[in-house]
Amino acid sequence: GAVVSQHPSWVICKSGTSVKIECRSLDFQATTMFWYRQFPKQSLMLMATSNEGSKATYEQGVEKDKFLINHASLTLSTLTVTSAHPEDSSFYICSANPGQGRTEAFFGQGTRLTVV
Amino acid sequence: QKEVEQDPGPLSVPEGAIVSLNCTYSNSAFQYFMWYRQYSRKGPELLMYTYSSGNKEDGRFTAQVDKSSKYISLFIRDSQPSDSATYLCALRAYSGAGSYQLTFGKGTKLSVIP
Repeated sequence: GAVVSQHPSWVICKSGTSVKIECRSLDFQATTMFWYRQFPKQSLMLMATSNEGSKATYEQGVEKDKFLINHASLTLSTLTVTSAHPEDSSFYICSANPGQGRTEAFFGQGTRLTVV
Repeated sequence: QKEVEQDPGPLSVPEGAIVSLNCTYSNSAFQYFMWYRQYSRKGPELLMYTYSSGNKEDGRFTAQVDKSSKYISLFIRDSQPSDSATYLCALRAYSGAGSYQLTFGKGTKLSVIP
């Protein structure tokens, strides 16, 4: 299977600070990556679609100025949570699919964000 | 009605039992069907991937798709304590312009008791 690596796996930050989460496809190139958020005992909620070389597409209700996405290369997308607040505490997960006819999605390990 | 329905459980079975996990869906545009396993505080791990009606087997896991009934299942034979996790179904539909939309079930939490 294809490997997607996410870093860091957990982070604790103070309220008002910004946190950057990285998502890398290790053995394939991904023109599109996806960012999800998961609350305890809930399923994954798509936040945005990250497109290499262009602006991300955000789902309804997701603040694009708060959740900044940069997809600078074919193997790296970053999600920056700006001016984090305790209600932003959640599990953030990225995914990508290898393309070339393969439509299954592979996920990173997830990042547990706690804002104190 | 939600696009994908999945019983959240929890489901508790003894070691060695056969486990049946299910999802129903309403959108006939879904063409690809996946099952993921998610351990606590980890990202989902792809288990099975199918795109046609019928059965697909991989070791102790069998994925079953019935497009006419809009019903998919994952069977786990000879269940092990290490199978204890949350299982998510994920369905994919083509959403135009070369992109796909992935819709998840809520996940079923499974506990296999030694």
